[in-house]
Amino acid sequence: DAGITQSPRHKVTETGTPVTLRCHQTENHRYMYWYRQDPGHGLRLIHYSYGVKDTDKGEVSDGYSVSRSKTEDFLLTLESATSSQTSVYFCAISVQDNEQFFGPGTRLTVL
Amino acid sequence: GESVGLHLPTLSVQEGDNSIINCAYSNSASDYFIWYKQESGKGPQFIIDIRSNMDKRQGQRVTVLLNKTVKHLSLQIAATQPGDSAVYFCAVHLSGTYKYIFGTGTRLKVLA
Repeated sequence: DAGITQSPRHKVTETGTPVTLRCHQTENHRYMYWYRQDPGHGLRLIHYSYGVKDTDKGEVSDGYSVSRSKTEDFLLTLESATSSQTSVYFCAISVQDNEQFFGPGTRLTVL
Repeated sequence: GESVGLHLPTLSVQEGDNSIINCAYSNSASDYFIWYKQESGKGPQFIIDIRSNMDKRQGQRVTVLLNKTVKHLSLQIAATQPGDSAVYFCAVHLSGTYKYIFGTGTRLKVLA
């Protein structure tokens, strides 16, 4: 897993509640990503970060925000969860020469 | 826009046979390609990669072929084993960006 952990691994929440997912890496890589994975779709980029406090939007960023106050942590927040945000969320890091490695995922269910 | 597609959603092969999984991409600015294996309930696992200045790269039992003329990528698995059963998908890196475009995946089933 290239030193990537995600927490929680599973979460069930209700519509309208805020949710924060955490990605932690141990190797001080600069680039970090949040994706969601849904049936019938390839992994889709939500947000990415290219350094501390440097983030940018991906293709499906609506309803999500991110923060990166330390190199090792990249947080994904759903300000007010909706059922359409039920998904599996993967964090990834990109190392030199563009190799990208993924964490184990967080399965989020919004009721 | 950019897209990455796989030719078959499911591929069934006999144990011991070779498997070929295909991927097509649309963006000519793609400079780096990765194949991932994903088992149920797990994160994608990096298998092998190839850069756009190459047309073939071999790993342990796996080979990736890149045809830039037709924008086609394939993963070959030799002597397929039960442990190879998983979903395989390709990722395409867009040159000059931090972005990757992912295919939807082919589920490989290995028959005993």
